[in-house]
Amino acid sequence: QVQLVQSGAEVKKPGSSVKVSCKASGDTFTDYAFSWVRQAPGQGLEWMGGIIPFFGTSRHAQKFQGRVSFTMDESTSTVYMELTSLTSEDTAVYYCALRDGYNFRLDYWGQGTLVTVSS
Amino acid sequence: DIVMTQTSLSLSVTPGQSASISCKSSQSLLHTDGKIHLYWYLQKPGQSPQLLIYQLSNRFSGVPDRFSGSGSETDFTLKISRVEAEDVGTYYCMQSMQLPLTFGGGTKVEIK
Repeated sequence: QVQLVQSGAEVKKPGSSVKVSCKASGDTFTDYAFSWVRQAPGQGLEWMGGIIPFFGTSRHAQKFQGRVSFTMDESTSTVYMELTSLTSEDTAVYYCALRDGYNFRLDYWGQGTLVTVSS
Repeated sequence: DIVMTQTSLSLSVTPGQSASISCKSSQSLLHTDGKIHLYWYLQKPGQSPQLLIYQLSNRFSGVPDRFSGSGSETDFTLKISRVEAEDVGTYYCMQSMQLPLTFGGGTKVEIK
């Protein structure tokens, strides 16, 4: 059974950056397509983008152009999402999710990481 | 971007009764692979979302057969027959026809 374990909650200042990790266990790391989805307090779900380790490629939603990057460490089966130039509007729970395959789909989800941006 | 619309913000259901949640897409979700790339998720209070239905009508692993999905290329329905207390939460539809993946605004289901 696939499991995703994310890093802990973060409190950040406006203008700073945050890097959230997501460690996968289960099947072969390079068989997965990882996504990142965020949810602002009391709001819906928003796909930010993701990475496919087998191809080493990533995609992101246009809204996050220039501010988000996705990286991976195959040796530890971990993917990372870094978001820069944080504002209060980035306060949200950030989820990683994956599917067993090479296109983006959200079959299994991590527990979420709360990122609070406050001065 | 494909816009997903869930017109019902909330639904109150008597245990044992059925409930239907609707969702519409701004474009056809029929892929060249012949499948409709529409998904349903349930987010229970305080939890991460969980996949219920994939590609319009296929139940994900472990999902009870009380949940069923149906629809056309642009109009979709999730039906919960014999609603139970554990079914409370917010239901989201999502499309993976094209990037970015986009979600409906969610329909909150509560028990009477």
